[in-house]
Amino acid sequence: GAGVSQSPSNKVTEKGKDVELRCDPISGHTALYWYRQRLGQGLEFLIYFQGNSAPDKSGLPSDRFSAERTGESVSTLTIQRTQQEDSAVYLCASSLGGRGITYEQYFGPGTRLTVT
Amino acid sequence: GENVEQHPSTLSVQEGDSAVIKCTYSDSASNYFPWYKQELGKRPQLIIDIRSNVGEKKDQRIAVTLNKTAKHFSLHITETQPEDSAVYFCAASKRGKLIFGQGTELSVKP
Repeated sequence: GAGVSQSPSNKVTEKGKDVELRCDPISGHTALYWYRQRLGQGLEFLIYFQGNSAPDKSGLPSDRFSAERTGESVSTLTIQRTQQEDSAVYLCASSLGGRGITYEQYFGPGTRLTVT
Repeated sequence: GENVEQHPSTLSVQEGDSAVIKCTYSDSASNYFPWYKQELGKRPQLIIDIRSNVGEKKDQRIAVTLNKTAKHFSLHITETQPEDSAVYFCAASKRGKLIFGQGTELSVKP
């Protein structure tokens, strides 16, 4: 079946502008995650949605970052007033879910964000 | 919070040799430990994972070992091939979110 999809694949924006990144998880996956990967580095956890529970926002680096999820489908990650240090690849992942249980996470292709 | 350290950062081996990558984690409550392979410009792909109730798991040329007491786990790749060249990431999790190590760039020379 279809995997995790993300859009856009690339985004170039000017410093100070807002950007919105989209993630479509695998159908039936109740858990959705956002990670950030700076060039040559590991993945940093940003936020985790599990069903109708309150999201785990513990990884969001500042209040300029926010994310929403509509039910158990699409999620959007919004970065306001972008800064050059926000330049990175933003990866979305989804999995089967259940609080306290970790299932295999399937990653999308990522959105490469460049802030000029 | 959880912290994951990964070593080495780069590893070069001859084709056919074995490669070992090691990770340590800080949160003793972590119970799931996946390994991902990421080729240049591509998304991470799960290659093997292990849960805290198991000490070792093997899948063909790949194996993972877990020492809960010492809080470390390792990836072993035997009979390496050039197509194994990639960046490998370990991760630890207890409630869904993955905390990743910094990655190991593996180069397999023919």
